[in-house]
Amino acid sequence: SQQGEEDPQALSIQEGENATMNCSYKTSINNLQWYRQNSGRGLVHLILIRSNEREKHSGRLRVTLDTSKKSSSLLITASRAADTASYFCATDVKVDRGSTLGRLYFGRGTQLTVWP
Amino acid sequence: EADIYQTPRYLVIGTGKKITLECSQTMGHDKMYWYQQDPGMELHLIHYSYGVNSTEKGDLSSESTVSRIRTEHFPLTLESARPSHTSQYLCASSGKQGWDEKLFFGSGTQLSVL
Repeated sequence: SQQGEEDPQALSIQEGENATMNCSYKTSINNLQWYRQNSGRGLVHLILIRSNEREKHSGRLRVTLDTSKKSSSLLITASRAADTASYFCATDVKVDRGSTLGRLYFGRGTQLTVWP
Repeated sequence: EADIYQTPRYLVIGTGKKITLECSQTMGHDKMYWYQQDPGMELHLIHYSYGVNSTEKGDLSSESTVSRIRTEHFPLTLESARPSHTSQYLCASSGKQGWDEKLFFGSGTQLSVL
């Protein structure tokens, strides 16, 4: 399988704490994306990091990528109760000559619960 | 919020019924996708389309079929629903920003087959 695998499966923290989720994948990628899903809803794109990037920030989100270890992490700083959701990583798999398969492979997600 | 819509949000039907799940987007995206998701599990791609009159099967075998007659519309049909089809179905389209593509998802259809 080329899917990403998130770790941990579930994370429970208090408001104000930082939340870190990890993603590992198996093949070479063009980019890795993180999505958020509120219960019973569709996914919402959060942030994209390209294979030649090591770190990216967007508001309270910080994403790192280590292509040598085939892993990524998503850090949410100063978490809020409204951050409670499932978080998925998705990989855009690289094929010959850097082209893409044209679709994303998703993991099972990390369920984050932030208590007020 | 993305301009991609799925109807119905919830559907409870009996075994053997024919159903169509609707998906429409107003962003002019060429690429559209159907994913199937069970609780606590990953999303499985079941169908995708790169444009009008183009449809392909995804990674997970599915008894459903799709059509793409118009750019904005990508319906999914089950000819004879069974309890094993009970799941959440998510429609998505993708748009390009420079070299990168990201997915825009609808709110999903939760299907329950009794």
